[in-house]
Amino acid sequence: DAGVTQSPTHLIKTRGQQVTLRCSPKSGHDTVSWYQQALGQGPQFIFQYYEEEERQRGNFPDRFSGHQFPNYSSELNVNALLLGDSALYLCASSLALRTNYGYTFGSGTRLTVV
Amino acid sequence: DQQVKQNSPSLSVQEGRISILNCDYTNSMFDYFLWYKKYPAEGPTFLISISSIKDKNEDGRFTVFLNKSAKHLSLHIVPSQPGDSAVYFCAASGANNLFFGTGTRLTVIP
Repeated sequence: DAGVTQSPTHLIKTRGQQVTLRCSPKSGHDTVSWYQQALGQGPQFIFQYYEEEERQRGNFPDRFSGHQFPNYSSELNVNALLLGDSALYLCASSLALRTNYGYTFGSGTRLTVV
Repeated sequence: DQQVKQNSPSLSVQEGRISILNCDYTNSMFDYFLWYKKYPAEGPTFLISISSIKDKNEDGRFTVFLNKSAKHLSLHIVPSQPGDSAVYFCAASGANNLFFGTGTRLTVIP
């Protein structure tokens, strides 16, 4: 049973460019949340998707957008990249917005903006 | 505004001894608290959780204690093993979202 799959694992982009990160949730999960983990920090919530809609959003600018597809997979898009966007981006899946049993996380995408 | 805080960035413990990792939170509306373990180049993995209506939950070598009046929780690992060396994140569940602390790096010395 595959867990959460994220692609790509590493990415280098130039300031001002746009990037798309992808996530396939664990089998049976229907909710996808995206987190940004800067160096030395804990994961920070970006947004959450359920039933193909953004249900919640953290304190991130509109440059960060996402999408969820009918098969529950999800994309995170970041426009006009800044150096400060360099971080590990984690995708987490869960069932029906429930968090008390914990999320299942992917290994993340390491984004470097130069 | 950091709602979940882990004030110790690192902890070193001898193999076989007890490891105690601490976490403080500010929001009394959190209903579940969780601990995650993270190895380098991997995503966080769920370790143990506790409901806000309980004060203790035990799973093998891992026990989580919750003190609601102090808004404090701790993770005890007994006995500590070298394979426990990792970064441990405390997280709190509220509004269908998880809020994470900054992590504590545990090193278990053989």
